[in-house]
Amino acid sequence: GEDVEQSLFLSVREGDSSVINCTYTDSSSTYLYWYKQEPGAGLQLLTYIFSNMDMKQDQRLTVLLNKKDKHLSLRIADTQTGDSAIYFCAVVSGGSYIPTFGRGTSLIVHP
Amino acid sequence: DTEVTQTPKHLVMGMTNKKSLKCEQHMGHRAMYWYKQKAKKPPELMFVYSYEKLSINESVPSRFSPECPNSSLLNLHLHALQPEDSALYLCASSQDESFREQYFGPGTRLTVT
Repeated sequence: GEDVEQSLFLSVREGDSSVINCTYTDSSSTYLYWYKQEPGAGLQLLTYIFSNMDMKQDQRLTVLLNKKDKHLSLRIADTQTGDSAIYFCAVVSGGSYIPTFGRGTSLIVHP
Repeated sequence: DTEVTQTPKHLVMGMTNKKSLKCEQHMGHRAMYWYKQKAKKPPELMFVYSYEKLSINESVPSRFSPECPNSSLLNLHLHALQPEDSALYLCASSQDESFREQYFGPGTRLTVT
C-alpha cells in the first residue's frame, strides 16, 4: 500500500517562508492534499493538487509536486503565528478514493 | 453555511456505558465520514456513508455502530468500549464519496475509563 512520510517538526521565524515536505511511494497517485489542524480542532483542507499538475498557488500557499521523485511540498509565504499548527499531507492512489495520511508536521512559528 | 457540528465536545464514559456521538451538516453533502484520531497521529478512517447508505467500514469493531438517519445527520453509537478507544472522533462531509473537499467538524474528545 501507499506510504506517506513527513518530517515531524519545523520551526520558523514570523515573516519567513515555511516549506513543509512530504514523500510518498505509490506512483499511481491521483490526488494529493494538504490539511491543517490547530490544537483541539478538526482538520481544515488547505488545498489539493491533481497528479497531472506540477504547481498550484492559492494566496500565501504554493504546492509543488515532483512526480518523478514522488515529492510534494507546501510553501507558506510570510508565515504568521496563526499558521502554527500540524500540517498533514494525504495521498490518494491506485483505484481507491481513500487518502493515506502522513504523520503530520508540527509547524512552530516564533515571533 | 460551511460548518460541520459535533456534539458533545467532550465525553467520559465507563466501559459498560452506552453513549452516542452526533454530527450534523447543512451543506447538502451526500457523503459523511467518521474518523478516529489518537494523540500525535493522523486520523484513521472508520466509516463512510454515501447517500445515507454505509459504503465503507474499515474493519471497525462492532462496539462502534454508525447510523445515518438522514442526509444531514450522522451518529456513532458506542457500547462496551475499551480504554484504548479513547481518542478524538472526527466527523467530516463532502459533496460525494470521492473524499475531495472534505469539511471536518471540531471532533468529540472521548475518554473511556
